Amino acid sequence: GDSVTQMEGPVTLSEEACLTINCTYTATGYPSLFWYVQYPGEGLQLLLKATKADDKGSNKGFEATYRKETTSFHLEKGSVQVSDSAVYFCALSELVTGRRALTFGSGTRLQVQP
Amino acid sequence: DTEVTQTPKHLVMGMTNKKSLKCEQHMGHRAMYWYKQKAKKPPELMFVYSYEKLSINESVPSRFSPECPNSSLLNLHLHALQPEDSALYLCASSQGGSHNEKLFFGSGTQLSVL
Repeated sequence: GDSVTQMEGPVTLSEEACLTINCTYTATGYPSLFWYVQYPGEGLQLLLKATKADDKGSNKGFEATYRKETTSFHLEKGSVQVSDSAVYFCALSELVTGRRALTFGSGTRLQVQP
Repeated sequence: DTEVTQTPKHLVMGMTNKKSLKCEQHMGHRAMYWYKQKAKKPPELMFVYSYEKLSINESVPSRFSPECPNSSLLNLHLHALQPEDSALYLCASSQGGSHNEKLFFGSGTQLSVL
């Protein structure tokens, strides 16, 4: 079945450091890929998405590129801020299996220190 | 209005109680979802409603009973729950239920079963 694997957290960085959170996936067809962010005490918010190979999703300085050859969708940001502290979930959704709902990775907690 | 509103925000119930969680959206979305999220874990899909009909039930125990009275409302009726059902229950909606759509999440109901 479909699955998403994310790097273990927590990831602790100083403000203005570079961020990479690794995400790889397993799918039977051609999934759409997403990054969702969850701030403390809140629900999830879509951060960015990509729907086909080589697409790059970007938002708020975050980027991720859909790499079919490596089945990856790593999240990157060049300079993190304290306000980026949250839990980040990689997710996929696939039409082929008829399952039109998200499969989430385990989440990676990011802590940014001033 | 781009919000998904969930009530109550917190709920404590005994194992013999009957309670309901409510979710509302006024974005004209035709797909609505219930997810369960345990602490430090990713959300797990429970139910999907598409055009007010139940389209996915992820083998959820019958003590959880979803209801979609109309296109804007989604309820989750709870009866005879177990302590292990304590979790954050998240409602989400999307425009039509296509696999590459953005999901809009509510802030959740934090449920404690005593």
